Amino acid sequence: KAGVTQTPRYLIKTRGQQVTLSCSPISGHRSVSWYQQTPGQGLQFLFEYFSETQRNKGNFPGRFSGRQFSNSRSEMNVSTLELGDSALYLCASSLDTSGRQETQYFGPGTRLLVL
Amino acid sequence: DQQVKQNSPSLSVQEGRISILNCDYTNSMFDYFLWYKKYPAEGPTFLISISSIKDKNEDGRFTVFLNKSAKHLSLHIVPSQPGDSAVYFCAAIYYNTDKLIFGTGTRLQVFP
Repeated sequence: KAGVTQTPRYLIKTRGQQVTLSCSPISGHRSVSWYQQTPGQGLQFLFEYFSETQRNKGNFPGRFSGRQFSNSRSEMNVSTLELGDSALYLCASSLDTSGRQETQYFGPGTRLLVL
Repeated sequence: DQQVKQNSPSLSVQEGRISILNCDYTNSMFDYFLWYKKYPAEGPTFLISISSIKDKNEDGRFTVFLNKSAKHLSLHIVPSQPGDSAVYFCAAIYYNTDKLIFGTGTRLQVFP
């Protein structure tokens, strides 16, 4: 079974631009969560989607948004990029049959560099 | 405000000895805790978890201890192996939600 895939793996953007990251969950997984990893803050929760609906949201500004499609694939969008948005963005999927994300499977991440 | 804290950014342990990674939390509404391991250029991998109704959970070389009164959990790896060298994140889930709150990570290095 293929794991969680994320595209692109690396991305360089300039301030003010916008970016869209893509995540394909493990087949059959319906829950997709996004995380931002930075050296100073560690892993921070962005949001979680389940059945095309945002179910949970972290404490990030509205510039960060996402969506999920009917095939459970998810995209994350960041508008008006700032230097501080440079980070590793991780996507994780889970079966979520119990409603708790005990076992999430993470993708390799997209490393975003904002210049 | 960091609700899940890993105060040791790094830890170095000799192969065969015990590795103890610590994690503190501030919110008593967390009711489920997890440990993840992360290698460079890879996403985190789930290791072991514990519910707040337990104080210990064991899986092979990995044991997680939870002290609710102290709001503290620890991961013990015995015996440590060089392949255990990675960054370890603890994470907590709020009661009745699915939102994972991660600590900042501890880099473990196991040397021969």
